[in-house]
Order: sequence, then C-alpha cells, then structure tokens
Amino acid sequence: EDQVTQSPEALRLQEGESSSLNCSYTVSGLRGLFWYRQDPGKGPEFLFTLYSAGEEKEKERLKATLTKKESFLHITAPKPEDSATYLCAVRPQYNTDKLIFGTGTRLQVFP
Amino acid sequence: EAQVTQNPRYLITVTGKKLTVTCSQNMNHEYMSWYRQDPGLGLRQIYYSMNVEVTDKGDVPEGYKVSRKEKRNFPLILESPSPNQTSLYFCASSFDRGYGYTFGSGTRLTVV
Repeated sequence: EDQVTQSPEALRLQEGESSSLNCSYTVSGLRGLFWYRQDPGKGPEFLFTLYSAGEEKEKERLKATLTKKESFLHITAPKPEDSATYLCAVRPQYNTDKLIFGTGTRLQVFP
Repeated sequence: EAQVTQNPRYLITVTGKKLTVTCSQNMNHEYMSWYRQDPGLGLRQIYYSMNVEVTDKGDVPEGYKVSRKEKRNFPLILESPSPNQTSLYFCASSFDRGYGYTFGSGTRLTVV
C-alpha cells in the first residue's frame, strides 16, 4: 500500500538551532516528491520538487534531499517566521495524476 | 497576482441541502484538483481535471461532483451533504501534473 510518513509530528526549535524533518515513503515507482509549507488558516505553499535519488534543492534556510526511500528537509539556523506545518507528497509512477500527502510536521521556532 | 480563489471561506449548512464551492484560477493552468484535509489523515484528493471537460476521480470521490466547463473554473458540488463531509477543502491548480500546485486559501465546511 502506498504510504507517506512524516516525522516528527511536531518539532520545537530555538531560533538558530538547525534540524531536519523526515519524509519516508513506500510507493511503486516515484515520479516526484514534493515539499509544501502550510501556515495556519492558509493553503499549502509549494517549496520543492525532487525527482531522483541524490537530488538536492535549496531555498533560503531550507534544503531538501532525496534518497530511494526518504526525503529530508533540513532547516539551517531557523527563524520564528519559519514556523509552519511542512507537508511532503509523492507522485507514483503508476498514476501520475495521483498525489499522496503525509500528515505533516508542525514546526515551531522560538526566539 | 497569480492565485487560486475559493468561495466561500466558511460555510455551515444542514444535512441534505445542496451546495457548491467555487474555485477559479487566473494562471491559465491546465490541471486542477480538489482536496479535503482532515486531522490525522492529511490531504486527500477528491477529484481532478486535466483540461476542459476532462475530469476523473481521486481517492475520496463519494458524495461529490465536479465540472470543468471553462479552463479557469472548477466548482465542487455536494448534492446532498452529510456530517462526514465536514472538513477543510482546498482547490489547487498546476501548469502540469509534474509541477507544484498552487493552492487556494481553503473552505471550511461544517454540515450539521
């Protein structure tokens, strides 16, 4: 069964304390892994797409990496404005119209 | 500004009373989709559309209908809402299925 699992469910960081969020997936063939950020009361905001193992993407303090079974979202020296829920989603090869989301990691960064 | 607009933002209705949630995008995107978001279950796809007059079921289509008569609009129709359809709904659009989605701000629906 296709599955996307994100960990931890919640993460509290001090401002400047770097950490990583994990997204592990089980899917028959991967046609893309997506990271989104969601603020309370808003729709998800697209961050990155990764397509193959070894690929990396960066945006400001965020860096996403991909292996054959999981993806990491590394947050370097986070700021309070990075507080949000981070969602991971995968697109399986057998149905490229399908997008399977994880339940997210809720990140809080304190000053 | 490039955006996906959903209306209404909040809706409380009674069981069985037909309703429509509108969705419009101004980016000339081919691909549009509806999701519902529930605590502990994440985002689940209801229906999607690859182009005008082309729609297909997602993972949780029961109790919902959609139409795509124009490229920019993709309304979600609940013919006879039930309490288990109480949820947060998002419309999204994309240039192509391989690209990231642009999501609307959401519609919080409560069915009593």
